[in-house]
Amino acid sequence: EIVMTQSPATLSVSPGERATLSCRASQSVSNKLIWYLQKPGQAPRLLIYDAFARAAGIPARFSGSGSGTEFTLTISSLQSEDFAVYYCQQYNDWPWTFGQGTKVEI
Amino acid sequence: QVQLQESGPRLVTPSETLSLTCAVSSGSSSSYYWGWIRQPPGKGLEWLAYMYYTGTTDYNPSLKSRASISLDTSKNQFSLRLTSVTAADTAIYYCARPSGMGPAFDIWGQGTMVTVSS
Repeated sequence: EIVMTQSPATLSVSPGERATLSCRASQSVSNKLIWYLQKPGQAPRLLIYDAFARAAGIPARFSGSGSGTEFTLTISSLQSEDFAVYYCQQYNDWPWTFGQGTKVEI
Repeated sequence: QVQLQESGPRLVTPSETLSLTCAVSSGSSSSYYWGWIRQPPGKGLEWLAYMYYTGTTDYNPSLKSRASISLDTSKNQFSLRLTSVTAADTAIYYCARPSGMGPAFDIWGQGTMVTVSS
């Protein structure tokens, strides 16, 4: 099973600032990497797939990069609605696996 | 806009079988993938199983052959059965499907909380 490790566990930022979240895979997942956002009491929301492709309706302030084992999600200017938990997930090998999440807080 | 809604018992007795249904509304049950994911309270996400449109299924080995999934297109329903449940199966269970051809799941149900307890 591929282990996904996210860092940091918690990221404290101010509205309008840039946030950079990292995700590392225990072995190469090519570009088969997804980023989800989850708010309390809600289902995850797809942000990025194939490492860098934004899902429909996702603002351009969200961008993904990386390939192989190292990936990054960047939020260029944090808005109030962006404070949540972010998960990366690989879908290169089954079982598809999630990272433990990064909480972005004010 | 396709919507998914999970349903099933909120409380299941240890060693019994958990059965959940995912109802598809406001759209077609046609999809390249169907999946089940769970999230224990306050913890992270875990993929349980998925079905490809060909009927191929894959199950997380961590479930040790306790899970089975099925799709009933006539009823627009996707189902999960999990046998021999324990307290470790207590979680929010989500069904999900992608809008496109690849396994990027962008349509999720709201989730249903299942507690395993006597």
